[in-house]
Amino acid sequence: DTAVSQTPKYLVTQMGNDKSIKCEQNLGHDTMYWYKQDSKKFLKIMFSYNNKELIINETVPNRFSPKSPDKAHLNLHINSLELGDSAVYFCASSQDIGGFGTEAFFGQGTRLTVV
Amino acid sequence: AQSVSQHNHHVILSEAASLELGCNYSYGGTVNLFWYVQYPGQHLQLLLKYFSGDPLVKGIKGFEAEFIKSKFSFNLRKPSVQWSDTAEYFCAVVTGGGNKLTFGTGTQLKVEL
Repeated sequence: DTAVSQTPKYLVTQMGNDKSIKCEQNLGHDTMYWYKQDSKKFLKIMFSYNNKELIINETVPNRFSPKSPDKAHLNLHINSLELGDSAVYFCASSQDIGGFGTEAFFGQGTRLTVV
Repeated sequence: AQSVSQHNHHVILSEAASLELGCNYSYGGTVNLFWYVQYPGQHLQLLLKYFSGDPLVKGIKGFEAEFIKSKFSFNLRKPSVQWSDTAEYFCAVVTGGGNKLTFGTGTQLKVEL
């Protein structure tokens, strides 16, 4: 059983397109996150949601819009894709906000390539 | 805001060599500390974590880390590395009252046969 699952695993698309990445966790956690890993492997938080409520929005362009229909799902929609959006996007979840006192579990990542 | 520094960006070792990867954080209050590993093409997996208590924590696959509060450090160690330890290693911190996991820049470890 996959604890945090993301789809798709790979996504290749042209500049200007709109795409979505889906994430689901079956751990019963209250908090979910999106992280971006750039070509140098640097991991930076983009968003976090707690019980469907936005907690963190880390100066991400508004072309990125997270959606949390319920606390088990956090999807990421990206409008007007740019070359610089190429990266690996990781979804994660934890029991508490920020993961304090607990650990974060990560999905397998979505490698987005914008051409 | 909290930050995490990993000083070794690339480390190359021979099998059976000992490993120590440095991690320092900047925050004066209560912290939770983590080491995650990312094998090539895979997701992040937790190696070990420190919440409180014994500052020497043991994780999976023979890894351990020591929390030294006075040095704001949480270095990762393994007495004898294996080829299968080749991966990217990330130190991370969550601060008390904080709301996010902050990662260091990662250390790429390559173990040669």
